[in-house]
Amino acid sequence: DSGVTQTPKHLITATGQRVTLRCSPRSGDLSVYWYQQSLDQGLQFLIQYYNGEERAKGNILERFSAQQFPDLHSELNLSSLELGDSALYFCASSPQDRIDNEQFFGPGTRLTVL
Amino acid sequence: SQQGEEDPQALSIQEGENATMNCSYKTSINNLQWYRQNSGRGLVHLILIRSNEREKHSGRLRVTLDTSKKSSSLLITASRAADTASYFCATDDSSYKLIFGSGTRLLVRP
Repeated sequence: DSGVTQTPKHLITATGQRVTLRCSPRSGDLSVYWYQQSLDQGLQFLIQYYNGEERAKGNILERFSAQQFPDLHSELNLSSLELGDSALYFCASSPQDRIDNEQFFGPGTRLTVL
Repeated sequence: SQQGEEDPQALSIQEGENATMNCSYKTSINNLQWYRQNSGRGLVHLILIRSNEREKHSGRLRVTLDTSKKSSSLLITASRAADTASYFCATDDSSYKLIFGSGTRLLVRP
């Protein structure tokens, strides 16, 4: 158990809908990272927040947005969902904003868009 | 953007044998990390090697880094069935991104 929690574990929804994925980092970790893992794209970095502020941005679509709240939990919002958004979404956390340290991954949310 | 590419894509060995997987990347890095992922689960950090290091050990794991060839290798000695997983290398990006490779699927047969 990494100490990172993600809810829900599974999500099934329809095209065009909007969903929110939630992540609670390890106690004391200030950085939260979001990743998307799909069969065709592999593991893609989406976005990082550090202590409530956006720190780095990856291949995140404009339909996707995220935020980190004062209690350090983070939410990833996916809107106007398409079939291709079906994937595993992972959240990871680390103590600092540096990427040259270990990231602790949550169990993931499996999103299925029908 | 820089990316680690693992080789081979899949590896099947007998329990007790050694497993070697390789990672190549494109541009200069500050460090390289290896992660393991059991089927459909979150990634687990294995080891980090910095650009000024050539070799690092952690238990049954041995990682080498050759910055002149832009490559790294992960050796798992005396493999066990529990080592069955996908293994990813990840390289840092100067703009704070961690770029993961496509992974090597390792199967250790009992």
